Parts: sequence; structure tokens; C-alpha cells
Amino acid sequence: EPEVTQTPSHQVTQMGQEVILRCVPISNHLYFYWYRQILGQKVEFLVSFYNNEISEKSEIFDDQFSVERPDGSNFTLKIRSTKLEDSAMYFCACGTLHGYTFGSGTRLTVV
Amino acid sequence: DAKTTQPPSMDCAEGRAANLPCNHSTISGNEYVYWYRQIHSQGPQYIIHGLKNNETNEMASLIITEDRKSSTLILPHATLRDTAVYYCIVSGWGPYGQNFVFGPGTRLSVLP
Repeated sequence: EPEVTQTPSHQVTQMGQEVILRCVPISNHLYFYWYRQILGQKVEFLVSFYNNEISEKSEIFDDQFSVERPDGSNFTLKIRSTKLEDSAMYFCACGTLHGYTFGSGTRLTVV
Repeated sequence: DAKTTQPPSMDCAEGRAANLPCNHSTISGNEYVYWYRQIHSQGPQYIIHGLKNNETNEMASLIITEDRKSSTLILPHATLRDTAVYYCIVSGWGPYGQNFVFGPGTRLSVLP
């Protein structure tokens, strides 16, 4: 069964540093998403991406966040200057008419 | 906010059927009901979805009431590996795809 691959599985970074989380979606999927889950809390929507542009974003997705699909395959989430409260699991998902497939996530720890 | 309400937790004996309810009284005519589950901190896993007819696949069955205001996910023979948080999500399709809003879900514990 096709999978969504996320790298790295775990990243530790110092506060104020930039991080890039990477995702390789399923090849024929058109819709791409990032979600996050702070430990013990709900899965929260960050941003959706379609036709090479952001289609919707949440209040969480402020100017410190950006997404791109630089080479038509990888889908990345960049956090420009990380804060302690950015520590969370970050999930990439891609979708078709039949629903989403999620990756296994990147655990980001900001120290 | 999520458009669904689910019980926060349920227990089920191994080998028995697990019936997980979900209320979605404000569902719109073009919105689907999706079920996902999350085991520990893994990515949510798709289980099943439906619009108005009952659906069955190799993992589960989905029963949607005639008025579509509630649904039940049935795991016919629960195993210990089915212990997870189960999310019921209502979502339609817009021009840019979907936007799944997750609630807290139901934490299902399958007991030996």
C-alpha cells in the first residue's frame, strides 16, 4: 500500500533555529496538508496546499511557517525561528477524493 | 471546531465487537463521515468513510442513520492491536480539497 514518508522521524533543535520538515507524498495525490499534535492534545490543522499554492491555513500557521513543493515531489514545512511551543508531532498528509493518507510524523523537540 | 461528538473512552473485550458511536447532527448534505484511528503517536490511519449508505471493508463497518445525524463504527472482532484513539470526522469537498477537523476522539481500550 502506498505510503507517505516523513523525514526526519525525530528532530531536536535549539530555540530560534530554523527547521525544515520533509514529506514525500503519494505520487498521484493532488492535495497536501500539514497537521501538528502537541503531546496529549488534539491533532490540529496547519495548512493545505493545492496546485502549488496554499489553499487554506489556520491561525497557528503564522509568518514563522512556510510550505513549498520545490521539485514537484517533496513537500516541506519550514519553521523560521522555532519556539519552545513548537515542540510537537508534525504530520504530513495527502489526499484524493477518498480521504487522506497520513505520514508517520516528525517529532520536533525545541530546547 | 469539530462537528462531531464522541464518548471520550470505551472498553471492549478482546474478540467481541466494538461499537463506537458518533453524533454529527449538523452534517450537511454533501459532507462525508470519515473514521480514522491513531495508535500511540503514530499518524492517523484511515479506516472507512461513507456518505449515506452503510459501508464495509476489511477493517470495519460503518452504519449511518437514515437522517445522517449519527453513525457507528463497528470493529467486528476487536483485538489488542485495535487499542487506539478513534476519530469521527465530518468533511465535505471544496475547490481545494478537504479540511479535516479532529476532535478529541474516543479512546478505545481492548481488554484481554
